[in-house]
Amino acid sequence: DAGITQSPRHKVTETGTPVTLRCHQTENHRYMYWYRQDPGHGLRLIHYSYGVKDTDKGEVSDGYSVSRSKTEDFLLTLESATSSQTSVYFCAISDGTGPNQPQHFGDGTRLSIL
Amino acid sequence: RKEVEQDPGPFNVPEGATVAFNCTYSNSASQSFFWYRQDCRKEPKLLMSVYSSGNEDGRFTAQLNRASQYISLLIRDSKLSDSATYLCVVARTGNQFYFGTGTSLTVIP
Repeated sequence: DAGITQSPRHKVTETGTPVTLRCHQTENHRYMYWYRQDPGHGLRLIHYSYGVKDTDKGEVSDGYSVSRSKTEDFLLTLESATSSQTSVYFCAISDGTGPNQPQHFGDGTRLSIL
Repeated sequence: RKEVEQDPGPFNVPEGATVAFNCTYSNSASQSFFWYRQDCRKEPKLLMSVYSSGNEDGRFTAQLNRASQYISLLIRDSKLSDSATYLCVVARTGNQFYFGTGTSLTVIP
């Protein structure tokens, strides 16, 4: 399995609190992604990174920020969590060296905002 | 229009049956194609890449039709362990990946 670790695996918190999710990879892959998955919507891209300090927005970026200060770590922050951000969050990586390079996913973080 | 569309199912088939899933994509600039499998409450896992000439991996066969912009996955001799959600994924330049919402398969004893 690809060396991707997400932490925490589960979190319950209250509306209005800040939350940071961490994705750590040991594959030295260039690209890292954060998705959320909700019933009926499938996987939706929140933000992605194409290198250290290089990030861009995805389809559902409102209310989220990211940072990538080193190749192996990609952080997702909810500055002030809302109940609509209750979801399963997946981190993914891809090496970007050429076509037909797939993504590999972490185990996911189940986040509940009460 | 969605980038990738799949029939959500559910597909309920008996063990040993052959089942096929189709997926269509909207952008002709799409370059790479994949099928992922996702078990309940787990992460998506790569099942197979889809190549222009079609490819096979054991009981699984993937086909790509660029002219009609669709991808298919055929599972022969279905096993109980094949029960999962199958995600169609399309990638474009710049490592942009687009996911279908998935097709649910249940293989019945």
